[in-house]
Amino acid sequence: DIQMTQSPPSLSASVGDRITITCRATQSISRYLNWYQQKPGKAPNLLIYAASSLQSGVPSRFSGSGSGTDFTLTISDLQPEDFATYYCQQSYSSPRTFGQGTKVEIK
Amino acid sequence: EVHLVESGGGLVQPGRSLRLSCVASGFTFDDYAMYWVRQAPGKGLEWVSSITWNSGNLAYADSVKGRFTISRDNAKKSLYLQMNSLRTEDTALYYCVKEDSSGWRLFDCWGQGTLVTVSS
Repeated sequence: DIQMTQSPPSLSASVGDRITITCRATQSISRYLNWYQQKPGKAPNLLIYAASSLQSGVPSRFSGSGSGTDFTLTISDLQPEDFATYYCQQSYSSPRTFGQGTKVEIK
Repeated sequence: EVHLVESGGGLVQPGRSLRLSCVASGFTFDDYAMYWVRQAPGKGLEWVSSITWNSGNLAYADSVKGRFTISRDNAKKSLYLQMNSLRTEDTALYYCVKEDSSGWRLFDCWGQGTLVTVSS
């Protein structure tokens, strides 16, 4: 199975900050990397697919990059509604493994 | 609007069984692969099982293989998860998830989840 490792596990940031979350796969997954946002008590919501494609309706302050084994999710100009947990997921092969999550908290 | 509604969760003793259901609406159900993903309290997301559109390919996480069975009824637009020999570590919120057809195999719709609690 492909393992996904996210870092950091958590971070504190202020409104208006730019933050970056990284995700690393144990083998090349090309661009089959998706990012989800999960708010407390809610189901995950797709933000970015194919490493860098923004899902419809997602604000442009979210961006993704990377290919192969190393990927990043960047949120520029952090907004109050962005404080949540973010998960990467590989869809290159089965099982569709997730990273362990990065919790973004208010500083 | 695409919608997935799970049901069937509850409190069950270790070793017992439970059957989860998920009813889909707003899309052509039999065109898509479907998944079950779970989340233990305070923990991350774990893929549990998947089924192709025609039930031709089933897959399971090692942690549930031999105990859980995924199935679907396309006529009823429904997905199921039969869970046998439940363990305390199966306690989680179980999500029904739709995979898209773009080729990137992303999860573009999630249900609200149904909570399974395994405890004596």
